[in-house]
Amino acid sequence: EVQLVESGGGLVQPGGSLRLSCAASGFTFNNYDMNWVRQAPGKGLEWVSYISSSAFIIYYADTVKGRFTISRDNAKNSLYLQMNSLRAEDTAVYYCARDMGSGTDYWGQGTLVTVSS
Amino acid sequence: EIVMTQSPATLSVSPGERATLSCRASQSVGSNLAWYQQKPGQAPSLLIYGASTRATGIPARFSGSGSGTEFTLTISSLQSEDFAVYYCQQYNNWPPPMYTFGQGTKLEIK
Repeated sequence: EVQLVESGGGLVQPGGSLRLSCAASGFTFNNYDMNWVRQAPGKGLEWVSYISSSAFIIYYADTVKGRFTISRDNAKNSLYLQMNSLRAEDTAVYYCARDMGSGTDYWGQGTLVTVSS
Repeated sequence: EIVMTQSPATLSVSPGERATLSCRASQSVGSNLAWYQQKPGQAPSLLIYGASTRATGIPARFSGSGSGTEFTLTISSLQSEDFAVYYCQQYNNWPPPMYTFGQGTKLEIK
C-alpha cells in the first residue's frame, strides 16, 4: 500500500524557517517524481514545487521561488521542503504528492504550517 | 501561466440525480487535465486523468470529457459519498508552474 506521511509542520513567526518531511513507503520511491502542494485554510489547492526522481530537475511556483528548497533522499525514501523567510500567506496545509506524469495519484494527509506572531 | 476556471462554484443536486461540473483553461492544455475529489479534513484523491481516464478504483458513474480548453466532469447518479469539493488540474507542464488547479466546485446535497 502506497503511503505518504508528512511531518514537520507547526507554528512559526514571520521571517522564520521550517523543514517539512515526507516519508514514503509501499512503492519504489526512486522511480517517481514528487511534488509539494499546499492549501490555505478554507481555500483551494496551490502547487508549490516539483522534483524529478533523480533530483536533476526542480521547479518552484513563483510565490515561493528563492525562499523554499525541495530535496529528496532516495536512500531514506524521503522528500523534504525547506521553507525560509516565511510569510503569513504561507500558512497552509502542505501535502506531498506522488507524480504519475499525468497528475498526482497519491497524496499524504498533510501537515499544517501556521505563520503568525 | 495557464489559469483554470471552474463553474459553478457551488452545485446543489439531489441524490440519484446527475451532476455536471465544468472546467475551462485559459489556453489549450490538450488532454492534460485531471479531476480530484476532496472531502472535509481529507487530502484530495485522484478521480480522472488524461481528461477521461478513470483512476484505479473509481466507479463508472464518474466520467470526464473534453479537450483543449473545455472540460466536464459528470457524475451520473449521485451517491451520498459523492458530496464533496471537486478540483480540476492541468498538467501541461511547460513552462512551469507544473500544475495549476481550478478554484473548486462544491457539490452539495439539495
